[in-house]
Amino acid sequence: EAGVAQSPRYKIIEKRQSVAFWCNPISGHATLYWYQQILGQGPKLLIQFQNNGVVDDSQLPKDRFSAERLKGVDSTLKIQPAKLEDSAVYLCASSLKVNTGELFFGEGSRLTVL
Amino acid sequence: GQSLEQPSEVTAVEGAIVQINCTYQTSGFYGLSWYQQHDGGAPTFLSYNALDGLEETGRFSSFLSRSDSYGYLLLQELQMKDSASYFCAVRPTGFQKLVFGTGTRLLVSP
Repeated sequence: EAGVAQSPRYKIIEKRQSVAFWCNPISGHATLYWYQQILGQGPKLLIQFQNNGVVDDSQLPKDRFSAERLKGVDSTLKIQPAKLEDSAVYLCASSLKVNTGELFFGEGSRLTVL
Repeated sequence: GQSLEQPSEVTAVEGAIVQINCTYQTSGFYGLSWYQQHDGGAPTFLSYNALDGLEETGRFSSFLSRSDSYGYLLLQELQMKDSASYFCAVRPTGFQKLVFGTGTRLLVSP
């Protein structure tokens, strides 16, 4: 079974530029999550989708971050304009059964903002 | 809200046993999960405690006590490959998301 795919793995941009990350979850997983992980910290949820609908985006900085999952499969997370503090790893995860506490994570996209 | 506190770093030697603690403050949750993350890698699921008590999976065991707002991950027969960061996480009542702890970096030496 293929895992969660993310791209790009690494991205370096200057502040005020824009960037987009792509995620393809495990086939059949209806729930998709984007987490932000700053170095040395635990992952923090940015947004959660159930199929193509948003379930939780309470911690998404909506003035600069946006995400979509148009067909209920893959998803894109965009940052525009980027700030220095956005430097982090952006992790995508998916789940089939939420009552087991198990999420399947991709290897993440590491963003460096200069 | 939820907050989960873990020690920042734990060191141990190969073959030893180590316990990583997780103390939490939360208004309610379904269960406590543990994840392992190697540097540059994806967090991977280790265990889940829905009920109080001990869950054993090979060399790893996890424990939850809701009355003490406390859980731990126990790693036995430590190997060099166990050097990684370990995160506890809870699924708050009424939500599907996981809220992660601060993380513990485990260093295993020969």
